[in-house]
Amino acid sequence: DAKTTQPTSMDCAEGRAANLPCNHSTISGNEYVYWYRQIHSQGPQYIIHGLKNNETNEMASLIITEDRKSSTLILPHATLRDTAVYYCIVVNNQGGKLIFGQGTELSVKP
Amino acid sequence: NAGVMQNPRHLVRRRGQEARLRCSPMKGHSHVYWYRQLPEEGLKFMVYLQKENIIDESGMPKERFSAEFPKEGPSILRIQQVVRGDSAAYFCASSPTRGKGDEQFFGPGTRLTVL
Repeated sequence: DAKTTQPTSMDCAEGRAANLPCNHSTISGNEYVYWYRQIHSQGPQYIIHGLKNNETNEMASLIITEDRKSSTLILPHATLRDTAVYYCIVVNNQGGKLIFGQGTELSVKP
Repeated sequence: NAGVMQNPRHLVRRRGQEARLRCSPMKGHSHVYWYRQLPEEGLKFMVYLQKENIIDESGMPKERFSAEFPKEGPSILRIQQVVRGDSAAYFCASSPTRGKGDEQFFGPGTRLTVL
């Protein structure tokens, strides 16, 4: 599975959009980009995933560049409850284990 | 539809004792994954099981750790002769299948403390 690179930490003002970048330059054609988050020692929570098209659900939007070497997770209106560690993970189409990196620690401030 | 259940939520053991961690996947899910999170560290994959089969145990320590997912009942992660370094949060996740698009649903975790 391809390796991902994320900034260690980010801040965001409450009510503003949070844009979390991820680099996955070695991603291959059959690999998906998944995003999970972990809120203070709770179990990780699935957010969204995509292959090459942009995706949107009730939680977030995922923008994947045309060459698929990077992506951005967008939380459109961040709240204090969105403070968490966000993980970008590349998974092949066979599924299976998730390889978690260090993730991005997002702090949403009032 | 109840989520992934793990019990106990907190477990305290003395060095040398056995720890048994249980995971009941979501209804209809036949794939179970175990992850470990050591204090101040990231989540690490341990083992992936399907009913009655171990599919991938590449993250399991070679000794003292074992996992099963019987035909009936929860998945069990067993740690024999626990040591202080086993103190961690152990998370279980489940998915309905293994294919693309199947996100993993995580339980609340079991916090193991070894005295």
